[in-house]
Amino acid sequence: GAVVSQHPSWVICKSGTSVKIECRSLDFQATTMFWYRQFPKQSLMLMATSNEGSKATYEQGVEKDKFLINHASLTLSTLTVTSAHPEDSSFYICSASGRGSVSAEQYFGPGTRLTVT
Amino acid sequence: QKEVEQDPGPLSVPEGAIVSLNCTYSNSAFQYFMWYRQYSRKGPELLMYTYSSGNKEDGRFTAQVDKSSKYISLFIRDSQPSDSATYLCAMSERGWGAQKLVFGQGTRLTINP
Repeated sequence: GAVVSQHPSWVICKSGTSVKIECRSLDFQATTMFWYRQFPKQSLMLMATSNEGSKATYEQGVEKDKFLINHASLTLSTLTVTSAHPEDSSFYICSASGRGSVSAEQYFGPGTRLTVT
Repeated sequence: QKEVEQDPGPLSVPEGAIVSLNCTYSNSAFQYFMWYRQYSRKGPELLMYTYSSGNKEDGRFTAQVDKSSKYISLFIRDSQPSDSATYLCAMSERGWGAQKLVFGQGTRLTINP
């Protein structure tokens, strides 16, 4: 099946710094990528949708200047949390949907746990 | 009110039992219904999907959708310890590929040997 990876799997950063999370589709071309956030014991909440080569579409309540998304190629999307604060600590998960045989579902990455101190 | 409601559990049952998981929703525009399984520190993986109302069976798993009641269920027969995971329901108005999914909170399930 299609594989999506994320890097890093866990990151700790100091309050006020920025952190970048990568999402890669390893064996298919991801025309659309999604970024979700999951707080403990809560559901996955969609943050934004990005199509390759286009600006991301953010969900209501998600600050686009704080959560910068870049989908520069068909295999890579990045999420940068700028000026991170402790309330941004969460589990960030990406998913990808592509062309052809992999277009029928979203494939999820393993997630990145962000802790802001 | 959340768009999708799911009892977070935890739910603990003995091996071999039949497990029933369910979700309710409020958005009548949802037409695609999915169940994902998520192991600890991993991303969700698609277990089953259905379109509109009806039943769908895949091995030990059966998914049911009742759109009139806005209620979906997942049944697991002959449950195994390897089925221990968090199960999330998800829904969409226009498909399950490059479409926005709305997730339930997830039910943490433990199957005891």
